[in-house]
Amino acid sequence: GENVEQHPSTLSVQEGDSAVIKCTYSDSASNYFPWYKQELGKRPQLIIDIRSNVGEKKDQRIAVTLNKTAKHFSLHITETQPEDSAVYFCAADVDYKLSFGAGTTVTVRA
Amino acid sequence: KAGVTQTPRYLIKTRGQQVTLSCSPISGHRSVSWYQQTPGQGLQFLFEYFSETQRNKGNFPGRFSGRQFSNSRSEMNVSTLELGDSALYLCASTPGTSGAYNEQFFGPGTRLTVL
Repeated sequence: GENVEQHPSTLSVQEGDSAVIKCTYSDSASNYFPWYKQELGKRPQLIIDIRSNVGEKKDQRIAVTLNKTAKHFSLHITETQPEDSAVYFCAADVDYKLSFGAGTTVTVRA
Repeated sequence: KAGVTQTPRYLIKTRGQQVTLSCSPISGHRSVSWYQQTPGQGLQFLFEYFSETQRNKGNFPGRFSGRQFSNSRSEMNVSTLELGDSALYLCASTPGTSGAYNEQFFGPGTRLTVL
């Protein structure tokens, strides 16, 4: 089955700096790669996603890149703000099954 | 539109008991997925239902089962509860009508504690 690995597990950045989270996946049949943000005590919410026919996607301060050959994708957050502090999960889908990475706890220091 | 709802929100059970959790998807969504979230394991996929049919399942023992009704509401059942089943159980819905996956909308979860 699909195996998604996510690094780092924790990330502390100074406000205004950039944050990068990297994920690798194992199943070449995966074609949809979403990123979810989960704030403490809240439900996961989609922040950005990318499909296999696209190499990069941006939405304001957030961008995702995908390298299908290497089977890895990354989340980039620029100009981090305190409200970016949360747990971020990457995921990959195969056959209606979404496999998640273990999560990255991002802390933005003021 | 109302969001995904889950009942109950909190549940305390003892080992050996069984439990049923309920999930009501967003109106019009026909796909419901279930996940187990624990601090050590993150989000683990349990199963996915579309139009009352299970399309995929994760690597959980047979004690975990689910079903979906004709109105797309879904239930999951855990029999013979073990301490390790203590977790937050999340369901998520998506339209599910296309082959490619789309955004999943999560419910608030049911916090299950097994004593």
